[in-house]
Amino acid sequence: DIQMTQSPSSLSASVGDRVTITCRASQSISSYLNWYQQKPGKAPKLLIYAASSLQSGVPSRFSGSGSGTDFTLTISSLQPEDFATYYCQQSYSTPRGFTFGPGTKVDIK
Amino acid sequence: QVQLQESGPGLVKPSQTLSLTCTVSGGSISSGGYYWSWIRQHPGKGLEWIGYIYYSGSTYYNPSLKSRVTISVDTSKNQFSLKLSSVTAADTAVYYCAREGEDCSGGSCYNWFDPWGQGTLVTVSS
Repeated sequence: DIQMTQSPSSLSASVGDRVTITCRASQSISSYLNWYQQKPGKAPKLLIYAASSLQSGVPSRFSGSGSGTDFTLTISSLQPEDFATYYCQQSYSTPRGFTFGPGTKVDIK
Repeated sequence: QVQLQESGPGLVKPSQTLSLTCTVSGGSISSGGYYWSWIRQHPGKGLEWIGYIYYSGSTYYNPSLKSRVTISVDTSKNQFSLKLSSVTAADTAVYYCAREGEDCSGGSCYNWFDPWGQGTLVTVSS
C-alpha cells in the first residue's frame, strides 16, 4: 500500500498569510495527487487534481505543485473561509486502493 | 450539477449489517464515464476509501474491507448502495458517497472524488 504523510499536522496562520502544506508519498506516484478541503461537519471539497490542476470554481489563490513523492499545496493569501482541514490523496494505485493523507488543520492565529 | 445524498439508519447493532443508499440527482449513473464510490471517516480521523461500482455493476473494494463489503447499483432509481456486514464499534464513522471522475486526455488517467454527498453518521452500538 502507498502511505501518505502530511506536514505539519496543524498550523496557525493569519488572514493574508502565505500557507504551504506538504504531502509525501511512500513511493513515487508521478503526478497522481489530489488535494481536498474539509470544513467542520461538511464533506471534503476537491481543490486540486493531478498535482497542479485547479478544479473549476476554486479560487486561484490555491495552487499545487510537485511530482514523484513530494507535493505542496499553497494558499497565496489566506482568507477567512480557508480555515479548514486539508487532505492529500493519491490516485496512483491500480487497481484502485486510493489512500488519503492524515490531514493538516489550518486555524486562526 | 450532480448532487449525491446518502440515506440509511444512523444506528446499527454490533454483528449486524450496515446498509446505506446514495441517490444521485442532476446526472445519470447509467451514462457511464464515472465510478461511484463510498468513503468513510472515523470520528475526528482521516478518510478511508471503501470501494466503487461502475454503472455496469463492476466493483472494486478496499482489500482491508473486501470480505465484508458489497456495493450494488440500481440504475432505474439512479442509486447505488453499500452493505457492510458483521459491524463492530470500529465501523462507527461518517459515510460519504462520491463520484470518481477520470481524465485520460493527456495519455495518463487521473482520478479524483468530486462531488461528495453530505455524509451520514453511522454509529455501531447495542
